[in-house]
Amino acid sequence: DGGITQSPKYLFRKEGQNVTLSCEQNLNHDAMYWYRQDPGQGLRLIYYSQIVNDFQKGDIAEGYSVSREKKESFPLTVTSAQKNPTAFYLCASSITGTGHMEQYFGPGTRLTVT
Amino acid sequence: DQQVKQNSPSLSVQEGRISILNCDYTNSMFDYFLWYKKYPAEGPTFLISISSIKDKNEDGRFTVFLNKSAKHLSLHIVPSQPGDSAVYFCAASGSNDMRFGAGTRLTVKP
Repeated sequence: DGGITQSPKYLFRKEGQNVTLSCEQNLNHDAMYWYRQDPGQGLRLIYYSQIVNDFQKGDIAEGYSVSREKKESFPLTVTSAQKNPTAFYLCASSITGTGHMEQYFGPGTRLTVT
Repeated sequence: DQQVKQNSPSLSVQEGRISILNCDYTNSMFDYFLWYKKYPAEGPTFLISISSIKDKNEDGRFTVFLNKSAKHLSLHIVPSQPGDSAVYFCAASGSNDMRFGAGTRLTVKP
């Protein structure tokens, strides 16, 4: 049963703590993405990776970091430098990173920082 | 800088009628367009797409129209069903990026 899994579904953290969101895919896709969704806004790209051991900043990368050590995994760390970390985070993947490909999304993680 | 805009945050239609969701984009380099459907607490799922070489693409009850000169696309759902109630995102992509609109919440009333 192929797909993208994100864990946990809900995450609560205290301000000043780093937190890592998990994203795993078994679709054998080369490209993976992290988006953030805020109320009334579209999905905004945080980071993307077109291939293992390579990743690029998206539009709102400040305060976030990623790694892509394995094809299947693309974890996102929300650092204490991120000013407004409370949001719904979505991970996605596509066969390649050319842009003319549909992206497959995970179920999302809702992060609340207080 | 919102390159993809969905100006209607919500739309309500009666079951059996047509739903028309609209989307405008500003970047003329976009050449591939997609619609995604999203239920609460879930990730978006791909619905339908269209390449810039076409002006229409159909898949069952769903049809996407593209007007390149107006930089406008629309999604038609006919007939609308209560299960279609969700948030619909349009997306536009060029060679290596994809931009999403803010979404339109569709409610189909029985």
